[in-house]
Amino acid sequence: DAKTTQPTSMDCAEGRAANLPCNHSTISGNEYVYWYRQIHSQGPQYIIHGLKNNETNEMASLIITEDRKSSTLILPHATLRDTAVYYCIVRGKYTSYGKLTFGQGTILTVHP
Amino acid sequence: GAGVSQSPSNKVTEKGKDVELRCDPISGHTALYWYRQRLGQGLEFLIYFQGNSAPDKSGLPSDRFSAERTGESVSTLTIQRTQQEDSAVYLCASSLEVGSGSGNEQFFGPGTRLTVL
Repeated sequence: DAKTTQPTSMDCAEGRAANLPCNHSTISGNEYVYWYRQIHSQGPQYIIHGLKNNETNEMASLIITEDRKSSTLILPHATLRDTAVYYCIVRGKYTSYGKLTFGQGTILTVHP
Repeated sequence: GAGVSQSPSNKVTEKGKDVELRCDPISGHTALYWYRQRLGQGLEFLIYFQGNSAPDKSGLPSDRFSAERTGESVSTLTIQRTQQEDSAVYLCASSLEVGSGSGNEQFFGPGTRLTVL
């Protein structure tokens, strides 16, 4: 699976959009980009995933560049409860049998 | 149930004892995964099940670790002769099927916090 690079930490004001970047320059054509988050002392929570097109759900939006070498997770109106570690993960459709390889992630702190 | 459940939520044991950790996946999910998270560190993949079979056990840290799944439902992770380095949160996840793609996102349980004294 392709390796990902994320900033170690980010801050965001409550009510503003949080934009979390992820680089995955070695991604291959059949690999998906997944985002999970882990709030302190809880299990990871699935947020969103995509292959080529931008995706949106009730939690967030995922913007994938045309060359697929990077992506951005957008939380449109961050709240204090969005403070968590956010993980960007690349998974092959036909390899890795679904195993998730978690890196260090980005610590997002939402402040009042 | 509505989500993945794990029991116990906390387990304190003495070095050398055996422990069993239980995971109840979401009903109908054929794939089940075990991960470990040491304090302040990322998640470490241990093993996955497709149905009741575990095709790849290479993620298990030592032969003291074993896991089984029955009825394509509940799974048990057993650690024999526990050591202090086994202290961690053990997380279970399930998905509809093995692999990536839509519908196969993994849903995690709350974890079991294991402390080996």
